[in-house]
Amino acid sequence: AQSVTQLDSHVSVSEGTPVLLRCNYSSSYSPSLFWYVQHPNKGLQLLLKYTSAATLVKGINGFEAEFKKSETSFHLTKPSAHMSDAAEYFCVVSERNTDKLIFGTGTRLQVFP
Amino acid sequence: DAGVTQSPTHLIKTRGQQVTLRCSPKSGHDTVSWYQQALGQGPQFIFQYYEEEERQRGNFPDRFSGHQFPNYSSELNVNALLLGDSALYLCASSNLGLAATYEQYFGPGTRLTVT
Repeated sequence: AQSVTQLDSHVSVSEGTPVLLRCNYSSSYSPSLFWYVQHPNKGLQLLLKYTSAATLVKGINGFEAEFKKSETSFHLTKPSAHMSDAAEYFCVVSERNTDKLIFGTGTRLQVFP
Repeated sequence: DAGVTQSPTHLIKTRGQQVTLRCSPKSGHDTVSWYQQALGQGPQFIFQYYEEEERQRGNFPDRFSGHQFPNYSSELNVNALLLGDSALYLCASSNLGLAATYEQYFGPGTRLTVT
């Protein structure tokens, strides 16, 4: 069965410093992977997706993620954090040949001025 | 272009009662999925509707049922409510014809509180 593990429940950074949110996946085949962001009292927004094309995926708001099969990782990065990036981030894998999404437990990103 | 909409925004029910939540998909989408997000957790897949039929289902009891209408909108029904059903219920829509992208758009959710 497919699954994702988000390695940090909370990450705190200062504004202007890099962001790294870690995610490992488990899958017996090449998966489709996503990062979603959830701001307080708002729905989930897709940041980026990997679907077996380029391994370095660029998303919205300056975020990007790299698919590393050898490490079974799909970490989310951003060169410079902004206050508006403070939110809950979910790493997600889709079940093979379906669009059923399997979510990680989430990482809460705090950004300090 | 309206995105995914859900109603109501908030709902308070008593144990044992029944509740109906509603979702309208994004324009051009034909598939609706429902997820339950308990406090501090990631969303869990409940089920998915396509062509007015349940296409796939997660690990939820039969108390959770749904419906999809000809205009692609959907309802989630929960019977015999338990305290543990308190959660944010999220609706997501997609276009099955574009399933290769597995891209789903989420609504803002309905916050259900069971007392």
